[in-house]
Amino acid sequence: EAGVVQSPRYKIIEKKQPVAFWCNPISGHNTLYWYLQNLGQGPELLIRYENEEAVDDSQLPKDRFSAERLKGVDSTLKIQPAELGDSAVYLCASSFQGEDTQYFGPGTRLTVL
Amino acid sequence: GQQVMQIPQYQHVQEGEDFTTYCNSSTTLSNIQWYKQRPGGHPVFLIQLVKSGEVKKQKRLTFQYEEKKKNSSLHITATQTTDVGTYFCAAAGTYKYIFGTGTRLKVLA
Repeated sequence: EAGVVQSPRYKIIEKKQPVAFWCNPISGHNTLYWYLQNLGQGPELLIRYENEEAVDDSQLPKDRFSAERLKGVDSTLKIQPAELGDSAVYLCASSFQGEDTQYFGPGTRLTVL
Repeated sequence: GQQVMQIPQYQHVQEGEDFTTYCNSSTTLSNIQWYKQRPGGHPVFLIQLVKSGEVKKQKRLTFQYEEKKKNSSLHITATQTTDVGTYFCAAAGTYKYIFGTGTRLKVLA
């Protein structure tokens, strides 16, 4: 069974540029999460989807971050414009609806110069 | 809001020594999960604890959930170099899991 797929794996951009990350969850997983992980810290939830509905986006900085999961499968997280402090690893995870075990993707390491 | 702290932040052990990391919450927990993240990797689910006083074992790993459900621990017996990584606990909050600060384990051969 394929795991959670994320792309790109690495991204380097200059500040004020836009950037987008893509995630394809494990087949059949209704719940999808986007996390931000700073170096040496634990993952912090940005947004959680149940199918195509965002059920928790309280930690998403909505002035510059946006996310979508239009068909309830894959998802895109966008930052526009990026700031230096956005440099981090962006992790996507998925789980079966109603189950707590989260399966993480390899992440996208973003560097903002 | 709910905070989840882990101690120690770092631990260096000689191969064969035991290792323990503690997870403490500011509020009573419902469920708690443990994840391992290898250097350069992503978090991988290890186990979930639900019941007060619960103890679960996975080979050399022992997970414990304290009676009052505010603390949990992960103990590794006779560490091996493959145990290297950061161990995170994640506590069930309202609608989501809150990850702890992590304990980074280094095993010296």
